[in-house]
Amino acid sequence: GQQLNQSPQSMFIQEGEDVSMNCTSSSIFNTWLWYKQEPGEGPVLLIALYKAGELTSNGRLTAQFGITRKDSFLNISASIPSDVGIYFCAGHAGSSNTGKLIFGQGTTLQVKP
Amino acid sequence: NAGVTQTPKFRILKIGQSMTLQCTQDMNHNYMYWYRQDPGMGLKLIYYSVGAGITDKGEVPNGYNVSRSTTEDFPLRLELAAPSQTSVYFCASTSQGGRNSPLHFGNGTRLTVT
Repeated sequence: GQQLNQSPQSMFIQEGEDVSMNCTSSSIFNTWLWYKQEPGEGPVLLIALYKAGELTSNGRLTAQFGITRKDSFLNISASIPSDVGIYFCAGHAGSSNTGKLIFGQGTTLQVKP
Repeated sequence: NAGVTQTPKFRILKIGQSMTLQCTQDMNHNYMYWYRQDPGMGLKLIYYSVGAGITDKGEVPNGYNVSRSTTEDFPLRLELAAPSQTSVYFCASTSQGGRNSPLHFGNGTRLTVT
C-alpha cells in the first residue's frame, strides 16, 4: 500500500533553535497535513496544504506542499518547550472521498530549556 | 463541546479475552475512523464508516470488528485478544469525506494484551 516516509525519527534540540522535518512518498498525494500529538492525547491538526507549491504558516510553523506532490516539509522556528511532542505528516491519496488518511511514522521532538 | 470521546482510557486484557472500545462524537459527523498507533509506525487505519449502517475495512482490519448503528457511536470489537493487538487505539471523525475536512481525534485507549 501507499506509504509516507517521515524523517528524522527523533530530534533533541535546544530551546530557541529552528527545526525542520520532512515527509516523502513514492506516489502523488492531493493533500498534505501536519498533525501534532502531545502525551496522552490524540493528534491535532496544525497545517493543511492543498496545492502543489503551497507554502502556509501558522505562527512559528511553516509547511510546504512539494512541487512534485510527493513530499512536504514542516519548519518550526525559535522552538520552545511546549513544542515537545510527536509530529505526523498525513495525506489523502487519489480521488477517494472517504476521508481516509495515510500517516507517516512520526518525528518525536524534545526541546531542552 | 466534548468532541470525540473514547472509553476506557486504559485496559489490560489476557490473551483470548474480548472487549469493546467505545467511541462517541457529538458533532453530528458522518465519517468515523479507527486507527491504531504503534511506536515508530505512525497510525494505521483499522476500519472506517461513512455513515450509519455503513462500514468498511482499512489497512489492518484482521482481528477486529465494528458496527455503526447510530451517527454518534462507532464501537470497535476485539473478539480474541492477541499480544499483537497491544497498541494505542484512536477514534476520529469528520463531517465530510473530502480533503478539506480535517479529522478530529479522541484521546485514545491504551490496550495491553498479556
